[in-house]
Amino acid sequence: QKEVEQNSGPLSVPEGAIASLNCTYSDRGSQSFFWYRQYSGKSPELIMFIYSNGDKEDGRFTAQLNKASQYVSLLIRDSQPSDSATYLCAVNRDDKIIFGKGTRLHILP
Amino acid sequence: NAGVMQNPRHLVRRRGQEARLRCSPMKGHSHVYWYRQLPEEGLKFMVYLQKENIIDESGMPKERFSAEFPKEGPSILRIQQVVRGDSAAYFCASSLLTGTGNYEQYFGPGTRLTVT
Repeated sequence: QKEVEQNSGPLSVPEGAIASLNCTYSDRGSQSFFWYRQYSGKSPELIMFIYSNGDKEDGRFTAQLNKASQYVSLLIRDSQPSDSATYLCAVNRDDKIIFGKGTRLHILP
Repeated sequence: NAGVMQNPRHLVRRRGQEARLRCSPMKGHSHVYWYRQLPEEGLKFMVYLQKENIIDESGMPKERFSAEFPKEGPSILRIQQVVRGDSAAYFCASSLLTGTGNYEQYFGPGTRLTVT
């Protein structure tokens, strides 16, 4: 089992709709969870982090964490064409962060 | 701008040459991480350093690769005798480790290494 798993996509969502990105992880000891956005040819940009079970909202973004199910998700409300990118889920393991391979999101104008 | 800086942004080397990649962490950060990303692949952890110490190098290839973070100056990732398979984007990230152990990593713009 991979440490951090994401559906590679592409996930196509109409402009204005809610995009839902999902991630599962294998290490029950993980405590820190991150979502990064990466545009093609650019570096990853941290957009959300969550450490406690439940929801965390920041603008149009909501991160959801369920440690019992080892599941973390990212919701993007009112999707915009500029949200089209690869979204990387990342989870800590000991002193480092392990990244999933990312989900490509395409917002349809 | 106190963001993570990397240079050069693009580096071309012929097979057998050495590549040196530099990273200056965000102001106030003392923890540096190096990652490699191949085209259409995820980020692969290589090494985690603090000033003058290598904390975790479990992702570093055993040969030709080395990293340092001296007391003064940037962190350096060094690749000796480069081969075509070393062509990739190399990203550096830095963090401010909090007392609770929760921390966020911020990435530099990356160095694109091309081996010809």
